[in-house]
Amino acid sequence: KNQVEQSPQSLIILEGKNCTLQCNYTVSPFSNLRWYKQDTGRGPVSLTIMTFSENTKSNGRYTATLDADTKQSSLHITASQLSDSASYICVVSPFSYDKVIFGPGTSLSVIP
Amino acid sequence: DAGITQSPRHKVTETGTPVTLRCHQTENHRYMYWYRQDPGHGLRLIHYSYGVKDTDKGEVSDGYSVSRSKTEDFLLTLESATSSQTSVYFCAISEREGGDGYTFGSGTRLTVV
Repeated sequence: KNQVEQSPQSLIILEGKNCTLQCNYTVSPFSNLRWYKQDTGRGPVSLTIMTFSENTKSNGRYTATLDADTKQSSLHITASQLSDSASYICVVSPFSYDKVIFGPGTSLSVIP
Repeated sequence: DAGITQSPRHKVTETGTPVTLRCHQTENHRYMYWYRQDPGHGLRLIHYSYGVKDTDKGEVSDGYSVSRSKTEDFLLTLESATSSQTSVYFCAISEREGGDGYTFGSGTRLTVV
């Protein structure tokens, strides 16, 4: 069964610190992997997208990595800001045009 | 969210009553989706549409129906609301099959009492 798991479930960090969120998936083969950011009370917004052949992708202070061999992805946030407080969702798109698979998300709280 | 709006944003309804949620897009995207989001679960697909009058079930479709009479509108109906349908509902649109590259609406928070 295709699944996407994320860890940790929640995380609290001090403003200015770095953090890394993890995503493990069993979807194979897959077309691409995206990380979404979901602010409280809003819909998810795409942060990064990586195809199976890419290892890393950056978007400002957000850097996503992908290891297709171990089926793991990570999202690294550098110099966190209060506005980074949100849920971060890992989403994998299978090759077969089946519907995308959402992870449960990691809730990040950045405190002053 | 640009190009996609959901209404209402919040709704409280009683058990057993019918409820319709609306999703409207201005992007002319072919694919539209309804998801529900509950604590501890990822977004779960309820129904989706791949064109006017073309719809199909997702993984949690029981108790829900949908209609798409125009490209821009996708309606989700709870025929007889139950407390287990208390959730946040998101509509999403995409240009390509498979839901790659979604644009999400802002969600509808539905409470069934």
